[in-house]
Order: sequence, then C-alpha cells, then structure tokens
Amino acid sequence: GAVVSQHPSWVICKSGTSVKIECRSLDFQATTMFWYRQFPKQSLMLMATSNEGSKATYEQGVEKDKFLINHASLTLSTLTVTSAHPEDSSFYICSARDLRGSNRGTEAFFGQGTRLTVV
Amino acid sequence: RKEVEQDPGPFNVPEGATVAFNCTYSNSASQSFFWYRQDCRKEPKLLMSVYSSGNEDGRFTAQLNRASQYISLLIRDSKLSDSATYLCVVMSYGQNFVFGPGTRLSVLP
Repeated sequence: GAVVSQHPSWVICKSGTSVKIECRSLDFQATTMFWYRQFPKQSLMLMATSNEGSKATYEQGVEKDKFLINHASLTLSTLTVTSAHPEDSSFYICSARDLRGSNRGTEAFFGQGTRLTVV
Repeated sequence: RKEVEQDPGPFNVPEGATVAFNCTYSNSASQSFFWYRQDCRKEPKLLMSVYSSGNEDGRFTAQLNRASQYISLLIRDSKLSDSATYLCVVMSYGQNFVFGPGTRLSVLP
C-alpha cells in the first residue's frame, strides 16, 4: 500500500509553545489530507480536512487559529498546534488520499501518528 | 445517534475461537465501507474493504447489508496476534471517513 510518513512520532513540549507535525505522502499525490485526534480509549475524531492549495475546513469545535493546517503541495501537509496546553495532549494522526477521478472511494492511508504531551 | 456505532466490547476470547463484530451506520448515502485494525498507540491499518456481496480474506469474513445499514466482521480461529481494536469505517462518495468507536479484542492463550 501507499506510504504516508508522519513526523515526529512523539513530542514533549512546554505549555505555551507551538508544535509542528508533518505529514508526507511518499509514493502518491495526496489531493486531500485529513487530520485526526485520538484521546485514550476513544476513536479517531476528525479535526480538519485540507485540500492542496486551499484553506482547510475545520470540524465544529476545532479552533482554526489554534490548529494551523498548511497543505502547500500534493505531498506535504503540516499541522501546527499553537500555544499548546496540557489538554492538547493527544495522539494526532494524518490521513492522505488522492480523490481525483477513479481514486474517489478508495482506502485512506495513515501516518504513524504523533503522540503529543504538553507539560 | 452516532453516525457509526459498534459493539462496545471488549471481547475476551480464547485462542481458536470465532468472534463476530457488528457495526451499524446512519447515513444511507454511504458508499464505501472498511474494517481497520488499530494496535495500541499505533495508526489504523486497513484490514479489509467490505463489498455488497460479502468478501473473505483468509480467516476474516466481512459482510454488508445495505438495507439494514449493517456491517459485520467475522474472525475464525483467533490468534493471539489478532488482539487489537477493530474500527468500522464508513465513507460517503469522495468524502471523509467516519470511524466507529472501535471494538477491542483480546485473544487469550
């Protein structure tokens, strides 16, 4: 299957600092990337959807000024958690898909996830 | 009502057992269906897609009932390595994946 690389795999930061998470599609062009958050023993919750070259669409309750998403190319999307607080500690996972033409409806490929701990 | 619901679990079964997971979805326009597996602190990985005619992959059988908006996953001859959380995933055409809450399976020696 296609490979999606997410970096870093874990990060510990101080409260008030910003953290950037990268998601790269290594062997295909991702027209759309999805960012999820997963709290312990809970399912993945979609935070935002980003299409290459346009602004991200955020889910209800997700602060766009706090979770900055950039999808400047077909192979890279970044999520920046600004002014992180302990309650932002979570497992963040990106998913990449090529939604052009016949690729719509096919599986999504996930990054390895980033475990963020804010202290 | 949640868009995708699954058996609450956890399921604790002995090796060799057969276990079935159930999933229901609320959006009748949903077009693609998947079962993903997630190990602890790891990303979800595709287990199998689910087709209208039902499909089988080794010890795993997935079925879809569009009329009842119901999806199932059957695991036969459970192995210790099958221990994981199984996520039912539903997608409308070209849209976002919606994940069920997952059902945790523990296969015991």
